[in-house]
Amino acid sequence: QKEVEQNSGPLSVPEGAIASLNCTYSDRGSQSFFWYRQYSGKSPELIMSIYSNGDKEDGRFTAQLNKASQYVSLLIRDSQPSDSATYLCAVIQGSARQLTFGSGTQLTVLP
Amino acid sequence: KAGVTQTPRYLIKTRGQQVTLSCSPISGHRSVSWYQQTPGQGLQFLFEYFSETQRNKGNFPGRFSGRQFSNSRSEMNVSTLELGDSALYLCASSFGQGEAFFGQGTRLTVV
Repeated sequence: QKEVEQNSGPLSVPEGAIASLNCTYSDRGSQSFFWYRQYSGKSPELIMSIYSNGDKEDGRFTAQLNKASQYVSLLIRDSQPSDSATYLCAVIQGSARQLTFGSGTQLTVLP
Repeated sequence: KAGVTQTPRYLIKTRGQQVTLSCSPISGHRSVSWYQQTPGQGLQFLFEYFSETQRNKGNFPGRFSGRQFSNSRSEMNVSTLELGDSALYLCASSFGQGEAFFGQGTRLTVV
């Protein structure tokens, strides 16, 4: 079964620290990778997309992709209490057209 | 630009009833996907429509069905509701196979 796995958490970091979220996927044919943020009781919000190996930066967020090792990560620099949420890794695997989601990592940023 | 709109936001139904949920995608997006989110199973793919055609279907029973109209609006229907169908139902729209944006979801409670 093709899967997307995330560290289960919960993850707690102090305000101002770097939060590191990791995700691995099983299908080597995967081409598109996404990170979503979901606040409690809300719907997922797209925060990063990455399609090629390397780093992609957007403000305080950096997505990293390593297709050879089949992992994708999200770094949040200068973490803020407002970053406290569940972060979902999603992958479009092979020729599929749907997103396959990991189970999410709950992040808490402590003031 | 308006986002993805789902109606209704909340529903309470009785076992055995049926329900229809609606989704209006972002203008210009022709792909609409539906997902079910529960605490135990996470986000699971239901089906995806593109230009009024179902292109992909997840592993859900036939009680779950959907359709897409010529204006890209989509509906999903669940017949003979079961208690286990209680969930947050999310619709996502995308342009091609790129980034997917979610609506606010419909919270369905089956009693």
